[in-house]
This record gives sequence, structure tokens and C-alpha cells, in this order.
Amino acid sequence: EVQLLESGGDLVQPGGSLRLSCAASGFTFSTYAMSWVRQAPGKGLEWVSAVKDNGGATYYVNSVKGRFIISRDNSKSTLYLQMNSLRAEDTALYYCARDRRYPDDVFDLWGQGTLVTVSS
Amino acid sequence: DIHMTQSPSSLSASVGDRVTITCQASQDITTHLNWYQQKPGKAPKLLIYDASNLETGVPSRFSGSGSATYFTFTISSLQPEDIATYYCQQSIGLPTFGQGTKVEVK
Repeated sequence: EVQLLESGGDLVQPGGSLRLSCAASGFTFSTYAMSWVRQAPGKGLEWVSAVKDNGGATYYVNSVKGRFIISRDNSKSTLYLQMNSLRAEDTALYYCARDRRYPDDVFDLWGQGTLVTVSS
Repeated sequence: DIHMTQSPSSLSASVGDRVTITCQASQDITTHLNWYQQKPGKAPKLLIYDASNLETGVPSRFSGSGSATYFTFTISSLQPEDIATYYCQQSIGLPTFGQGTKVEVK
């Protein structure tokens, strides 16, 4: 079955760190760019970060630059998001999404999301 | 950053009604515009890509049109299972989404 499965979400204090994972299955992970998209409670979708298929280029929304790092391990078909210096405004459901037509960013496969809560 | 503005933010319509949502881009994005459906508690689902192309398996009552800065998304005959929030997303620069349109049935 073609799917994405996120994990790693948790309750963390402001200033803390967290690493999210997204395990891909059912398709050739190494041939797709991948993104993280988040959704704050009751709010809309916000693209966060993207990585090319070979991991050679990464991109970030301005609000997370310098704090978040996207990476991937194609041998494990897994996408990661290292989140540092977390803030209350990072609280959201984080989705990983497959980009089937990078750099045109058409997100055709989504995981179920993992919840990150930043609170003291 | 390219800003996307959707209208309306919510609407209520009857089963069988024609529903139209608009999306305006802050600059010319040609046809680099996608539409997603998000049902409550679920992940988003791609419906339309490149402004007017229907994703495989998506019912034909969904359609999209437009170019440059103005785009429309239409449900030709609203069904109960179409209750969801719909988002536009531009894909010519770093991706950005509209704020969403919540569709409810009267």
C-alpha cells in the first residue's frame, strides 16, 4: 500500500527540540521530493519545508529558518524534521507530503499527521 | 512570498447546488494552482492540479479554471460527502496555501 506514516510528535517545552519522522512505503521514495506541511489547531495549511529527491537541496518557510532542519534517508525511505528552539506558535499537526512534480510542488500523497504541542 | 486569498471563508449550500470558490494570487502564477479537499479529522487530498486538471479518481462534479491571478473551483452539484474545507495552493514559488473555504450543507 502506498502510504506515509508520521511519528515523533509530543508535548515539549518552549525552547526544546523534537525530531519528526515520516516512513514511506509502497513507492520509490528516492525519486520524489518531500515536504512537511503543518496545521495549527483550527487553522489552515502552512508549508514548512521541502527536500529534493536526493537530499541535495532544502527549502524552508521564513518562520522556521535557522531552527528546523529537513533531511532524508533514502536507504530507509524516511523523511525527518529536526525542530529546535521550539516556540508556542510551532504548535500544530505536522503532515509529510509527497511532491510528485518538484519544483512545481503538487502534493499528491499525505500522511495522517503527528501532533506537536509546545507549552510549559 | 506569493499570497493567496480565498473567498468566501465559509459557505452553506443545499445538496444539488452549484458551489464556487475563488482564489486570487498576489502575483501572476500562470496556471500553477492546485486545489485540495480536507475533510474533518483527515489529511488533505489533491483534487485539481495545474488550475484545471482533475486528479485521477476524483469525481467529475469537481472542476477548476483560471490563470494568472484569478482562479475558480466549482462543485457542479453539491453532495453530502463534499462537506469539507477546500484550499488553493500556488506552486510557482515556495508553496503557499489560501486560508481555506469551509463548505457546509444546509
